[in-house]
Amino acid sequence: AQSVTQPDIHITVSEGASLELRCNYSYGATPYLFWYVQSPGQGLQLLLKYFSGDTLVQGIKGFEAEFKRSQSSFNLRKPSVHWSDAAEYFCAVGARGGGNKLTFGTGTQLKVEL
Amino acid sequence: KAGVTQTPRYLIKTRGQQVTLSCSPISGHRSVSWYQQTPGQGLQFLFEYFSETQRNKGNFPGRFSGRQFSNSRSEMNVSTLELGDSALYLCASSSQEGQGSGDTQYFGPGTRLTVL
Repeated sequence: AQSVTQPDIHITVSEGASLELRCNYSYGATPYLFWYVQSPGQGLQLLLKYFSGDTLVQGIKGFEAEFKRSQSSFNLRKPSVHWSDAAEYFCAVGARGGGNKLTFGTGTQLKVEL
Repeated sequence: KAGVTQTPRYLIKTRGQQVTLSCSPISGHRSVSWYQQTPGQGLQFLFEYFSETQRNKGNFPGRFSGRQFSNSRSEMNVSTLELGDSALYLCASSSQEGQGSGDTQYFGPGTRLTVL
């Protein structure tokens, strides 16, 4: 069974600073990997996804993530954070051939200081 | 295209009652998945329906059930409600572009269920 670990429950960064959110996964083969963002009272919005090919994936809102098979990681990065990026971020893994079932990490709450 | 819609947005029930939540997927999407989100357990997969058939099921008791209609709309039902069922229930749809695995899922705003 697949699993996802997001080691950081809360992260605080200053506006304009760079950001890296960590995600480690456990899966026996190459997984599908996703990052979603959730603002208060909202559903989940997809930031980016990795299926195959280029291990550096570009997403919306200036986010990118890098798939590192050797480290079983899929960390999310942004070079300069904006106050509107404050939200909760979820990493998720999907199994190939497993339909659309996603296994989510516990989330990282991002606070942005002005 | 309109996004995924869920009704109702908020619901208050008492223990022992049953509840039905509705999800309308994005037009043309044939896969609908349901997730439960709680502060303690996080986001957990309930089940997935595709072409009116349950394709995947999570580790939830039989009190949780669902169905999908021919127009891809889906409902989930929770019988004999418990306090622990209080949660945000999220529905997601996908277009089934690929082989059905890892298709991008688009989430609705959720239904906030409170059990008293």
